[in-house]
Amino acid sequence: DGGITQSPKYLFRKEGQNVTLSCEQNLNHDAMYWYRQDPGQGLRLIYYSQIVNDFQKGDIAEGYSVSREKKESFPLTVTSAQKNPTAFYLCASSIRQGSYEQYFGPGTRLTVT
Amino acid sequence: QQQVKQSPQSLIVQKGGISIINCAYENTAFDYFPWYQQFPGKGPALLIAIRPDVSEKKEGRFTISFNKSAKQFSLHIMDSQPGDSATYFCAASTGGGSNYKLTFGKGTLLTVNP
Repeated sequence: DGGITQSPKYLFRKEGQNVTLSCEQNLNHDAMYWYRQDPGQGLRLIYYSQIVNDFQKGDIAEGYSVSREKKESFPLTVTSAQKNPTAFYLCASSIRQGSYEQYFGPGTRLTVT
Repeated sequence: QQQVKQSPQSLIVQKGGISIINCAYENTAFDYFPWYQQFPGKGPALLIAIRPDVSEKKEGRFTISFNKSAKQFSLHIMDSQPGDSATYFCAASTGGGSNYKLTFGKGTLLTVNP
């Protein structure tokens, strides 16, 4: 089955710890995205990557970091600098940057206490 | 600055009724307007999308109406069913290239009562 996988589905961390969220796709898509979803706030873009070894900041990149070493993988690290890290994180991909259709993974719910 | 305004925040409809969700945008450079459907605990899924060169697009019970002059577009769900209960997001984007990104509305929680 082709698609996007995110793991784990639920993640719990103590305040002050960095945590890395996994995103893998086997759709052979060039572009990948990370969004943050908070209740009543819609989806906000954190980072996106057009191609391997390249990525750009989205609207709310502060406190986050990413890497794109492989086409199929785009992990997101939530650092201790992120002031309000508890949220639902969604990874998405599209055939290429500028392709209108984005396909979303199932999400990871991160809780930091 | 919110570039895509969505209303209402929540909507309750009886089974068989029509659900209507509205969105307004400001950026006239937007040229693609998708709607996403999200069930609790899941990622959003593309439902239907429209380009500004058409005023309406229909797929089954779902219809997008687009008013370019008013910079508004809406989703109509005909014969709403309990299985349609979900959060719906409108979005907008500009044409491809390195500056491409989707801008989402804040979402509408639809509840269809049996």
